[in-house]
Amino acid sequence: AQKVTQAQTEISVVEKEDVTLDCVYETRDTTYYLFWYKQPPSGELVFLIRRNSFDEQNEISGRYSWNFQKSTSSFNFTITASQVVDSAVYFCALTTNRDDKIIFGKGTRLHILP
Amino acid sequence: ETGVTQTPRHLVMGMTNKKSLKCEQHLGHNAMYWYKQSAKKPLELMFVYNFKEQTENNSVPSRFSPECPNSSHLFLHLHTLQPEDSALYLCASSQTLKGFGNEQFFGPGTRLTVL
Repeated sequence: AQKVTQAQTEISVVEKEDVTLDCVYETRDTTYYLFWYKQPPSGELVFLIRRNSFDEQNEISGRYSWNFQKSTSSFNFTITASQVVDSAVYFCALTTNRDDKIIFGKGTRLHILP
Repeated sequence: ETGVTQTPRHLVMGMTNKKSLKCEQHLGHNAMYWYKQSAKKPLELMFVYNFKEQTENNSVPSRFSPECPNSSHLFLHLHTLQPEDSALYLCASSQTLKGFGNEQFFGPGTRLTVL
């Protein structure tokens, strides 16, 4: 069975600090997809990134970066020079090539303090 | 309109009322989803539709009745709800159900309160 664990339920950092959100996943499938979503206070889940299991290259998008490591089954998300607007709940998620649904982690609530 | 829209954004209803939630996607996607998000609980998948056909019913009580008339529209009909059904109901769509294009795009949600 598929599983996503986000061990950090809540994190608070001061603005401009870097912060890493952890995500550990479990699957027996060799073809799978990992996602990160952001849910600001408005409620809408915003798609951030999708990574397939055959692509272990790390990705950077502005202040966001993702570190995918199959050896440790982790797909961590780092925000560099955090800003107050980054305050949100962040969800890591997983699906496989055989599934027609995405398994979401419980989310990490991130507070960026001014 | 772009993306995924949901109406109404907020809904308060009594336990004997009948109401409907509407979702519309303007992305040309083929799959649509209903999720329930309660306070302090993980996202719960309720229903999945692919090309208008229901492919998943995640043991949802019959007081929730989905309808998908076409690939762009999804409804959730509500009747005789319970207070514990109060939650944020999120609609999502994706280009495909599996494989490439399966990332889901979400609407803003309907905040439902059952009195």
